[in-house]
Amino acid sequence: AQSVSQHNHHVILSEAASLELGCNYSYGGTVNLFWYVQYPGQHLQLLLKYFSGDPLVKGIKGFEAEFIKSKFSFNLRKPSVQWSDTAEYFCAVNTPMNTGFQKLVFGTGTRLLVSP
Amino acid sequence: EPEVTQTPSHQVTQMGQEVILRCVPISNHLYFYWYRQILGQKVEFLVSFYNNEISEKSEIFDDQFSVERPDGSNFTLKIRSTKLEDSAMYFCASTGQGAWETQYFGPGTRLLVL
Repeated sequence: AQSVSQHNHHVILSEAASLELGCNYSYGGTVNLFWYVQYPGQHLQLLLKYFSGDPLVKGIKGFEAEFIKSKFSFNLRKPSVQWSDTAEYFCAVNTPMNTGFQKLVFGTGTRLLVSP
Repeated sequence: EPEVTQTPSHQVTQMGQEVILRCVPISNHLYFYWYRQILGQKVEFLVSFYNNEISEKSEIFDDQFSVERPDGSNFTLKIRSTKLEDSAMYFCASTGQGAWETQYFGPGTRLLVL
């Protein structure tokens, strides 16, 4: 079964520090990859996605992620974090189901705290 | 920008009671989903729905659960007889014209079963 691993459960950074959150997935076929963010008290929002093409994808709020097929990875990066980036970050992979439809398989999430 | 909405935001119920969680997907979307997140655990897929029927469901989605699209806008999740372990955040999501498009999530309903 498809699985997604996020290695860091909690990350604490100071403002202006660089961020990299790891994500690895297990499925060997064609994948669509996503990073969602959940700010305190808010819903899951799409940060960025990879479907095909350039493996370096740029999302909102200065985030980017790199798809490395050989490593089954889709790490999230931001060169300089802000206090407002404090949130929980979820990596997810689109997985085909028997009916041909999709479901998202999520990682456990990484809780990021940025101190001012 | 269109959003998925969910009501209520919080629900507290007694074990054995029925609850209905409501979602209004984005208006021109065709594919609908429910996920749940038990506190401290992963977001898990429950069910997908297309063309007025369930297209896929997980092993979590047993006979106590049902989904319905009673009119052109609402999408509901019913839990017939709640158990303590049903306490979780329930998220609705929808996708547009293609089954493999990006899923957009609602704010969630936090369900507490006592």
